[in-house]
Amino acid sequence: GALVYQYPRRTICKSGTSMRMECQAVGFQATSVAWYRQSPQKTFELIALSTVNSAIKYEQNFTQEKFPISHPNLSFSSMTVLNAYLEDRGLYLCGAAGQGGGISNERLFFGHGTKLSVL
Amino acid sequence: GDSVIQMQGQVTLSENDFLFINCTYSTTGYPTLFWYVQYSGEGPQLLLQVTTANNKGSSRGFEATYDKGTTSFHLQKTSVQEIDSAVYYCAMRERGSSGNKLIFGIGTLLSVKP
Repeated sequence: GALVYQYPRRTICKSGTSMRMECQAVGFQATSVAWYRQSPQKTFELIALSTVNSAIKYEQNFTQEKFPISHPNLSFSSMTVLNAYLEDRGLYLCGAAGQGGGISNERLFFGHGTKLSVL
Repeated sequence: GDSVIQMQGQVTLSENDFLFINCTYSTTGYPTLFWYVQYSGEGPQLLLQVTTANNKGSSRGFEATYDKGTTSFHLQKTSVQEIDSAVYYCAMRERGSSGNKLIFGIGTLLSVKP
């Protein structure tokens, strides 16, 4: 079946340092990947949408300079949180949609998320 | 702007109780509506979705009806079980937008006591 893996599951970084998280699609081709953040006591906010062979589109309040994303192929994406501060803590989710493996390209599969704590 | 409203932050029930979680949405178009469930320590999983107004979606005993008149998509289950304890998110995607671009509600924590 279609699965999305994220790693690490949890990470702690010192304030002002950077942290990279990865997302891997298994069983299907992830033609588009969305990165979301769930801050404490809040719902999921879309950070950016990445489609293979297209420019990455960032939502308002999120920038490439702060959250650079790489989506080099149909199974892998990574995002870095640069200069992390307290307001960046939360659960970062990767949601992938695509084709193959019998899935619809309308269906979004989420990983477990990477929980970021900032000291 | 587009939004999804869940008024109940937390719902506590006993096993076999009836579940009702409120969800309303606001958008100018004809969205697809979703319910996601997030168990502790995991990412959200799709519970059900409905694309067409006035249709009902159902899964694992849960059901929700896409009511365009009241712009609602309330989640119901006749008899909840302890294993249903989780956070439930109502979400929508505007028609024509990417499959990944969802707008989520704040979530409702369901606690079911044995």
